[in-house]
Amino acid sequence: QKEVEQNSGPLSVPEGAIASLNCTYSDRVSQSFFWYRQYSGKSPELIMSIYSNGDKEDGRFTAQLNKASQYVSLLIRDSQPSDSATYLCAVPLNAGGTSYGKLTFGQGTILTVHP
Amino acid sequence: DAGVTQSPTHLIKTRGQQVTLRCSPKSGHDTVSWYQQALGQGPQFIFQYYEEEERQRGNFPDRFSGHQFPNYSSELNVNALLLGDSALYLCASSPSGAPQETQYFGPGTRLLVL
Repeated sequence: QKEVEQNSGPLSVPEGAIASLNCTYSDRVSQSFFWYRQYSGKSPELIMSIYSNGDKEDGRFTAQLNKASQYVSLLIRDSQPSDSATYLCAVPLNAGGTSYGKLTFGQGTILTVHP
Repeated sequence: DAGVTQSPTHLIKTRGQQVTLRCSPKSGHDTVSWYQQALGQGPQFIFQYYEEEERQRGNFPDRFSGHQFPNYSSELNVNALLLGDSALYLCASSPSGAPQETQYFGPGTRLLVL
């Protein structure tokens, strides 16, 4: 099992639809979770962080965390063509000690929003 | 307020050569982490510098080394370059006093090894 695994893509949704991106992680003690957006040829941009079970909303983005199931998701409402990018899930995995911010990334999910 | 900056933006080297990449963290950030991102993959953690010392290291060989300066800027050095070292090298910085996991990336240096 990969340490951080994202749903296989690519994912294609029509403009205005909800895009759902999923991520599972292996370390039960992880406490913080991040979603990054990466446009083609650019560097990752932090768009959401979540630390507690439940939902966290920021504009059109909602992150959902379920620590018991070791599952974190990102919902993008009213998807726009400008949301087309690779979305990366990142988790600081602790291997017997503090992670000191060693982020482990999933392989990314490519999202395409078509008009 | 400038974000994380990296130089150079692009670099072409040949096998066996050595390369140095540079990073300046965002103002107010004192921790710098380096990642390697191969095409089509997520970033892979190389190491992290805090208080001028390597605090944590990923699964990378000793050919990869680094340094942090008193002004918090950092360098990544790669010796004896291999074709497989071709990748986007990303620097990320973390704010002082904040969870170290909250990291902001620079634009990256794209390295091509021929």
